[in-house]
Amino acid sequence: EVQLVESGGGLVQPGRSLKLSCLASGFTFSNYGMNWIRQAPGKGLEWVASISSSSSYIYYADTVKGRFTISRDNAKNTLYLQMTSLRSEDTALYYCARQAYTTDYYYFDYWGQGVMVTVSS
Amino acid sequence: DIQMTQSPTSLAASVGESVTITCLASEDIYGSLVWYQQKPGKSPQLLIYGATILEDGIPSRFSGSGSDTQYSLKINSLQPEDFASYYCQNGLSTPWTFGGGTKLELK
Repeated sequence: EVQLVESGGGLVQPGRSLKLSCLASGFTFSNYGMNWIRQAPGKGLEWVASISSSSSYIYYADTVKGRFTISRDNAKNTLYLQMTSLRSEDTALYYCARQAYTTDYYYFDYWGQGVMVTVSS
Repeated sequence: DIQMTQSPTSLAASVGESVTITCLASEDIYGSLVWYQQKPGKSPQLLIYGATILEDGIPSRFSGSGSDTQYSLKINSLQPEDFASYYCQNGLSTPWTFGGGTKLELK
């Protein structure tokens, strides 16, 4: 069974840093691209960052570019999101999601339960 | 960036009815359209990818259609468990953009 378990969230002051982790199990982690997607309270979904299976390709949303860093450790089956210079608008539930690819179609087929990040003084 | 516009933003229906949610992309996404369902307090669940391909385990009352820039999700014979929020997503290229969501409520 595919499982994605996020951790590392919490309450942090504006301008500070936080690092999220996502532990994957039930599949060959090194074969899949992974993503972070967030959802502000009561709002819709916003893609944050993507990383390819071997970390060769990394993409960010403009809203976090230069402040967030996505990375992975395939030996530990773990995805990370280092967040710096946090702002109140970064307050959200952060999901990690596996990226599937089938005949030209990309989609997120498995999602974690999410971890809450609250940026407030 | 590809903008995704969903409509309606909310919808009230009764058990047994059929509903349709639409998603408009700002440019041709060549059928690379994904639909997710999200129930309150839960993570999103994949329903349909490639505009029309039903994910394994998803009931056949869900169906997707469309091409170019216009897509739709149809739910036939609504069941109590279908009342949730639905999101479309550009599956063609980064940034992976989502529609604003449609909240399907019980009338």
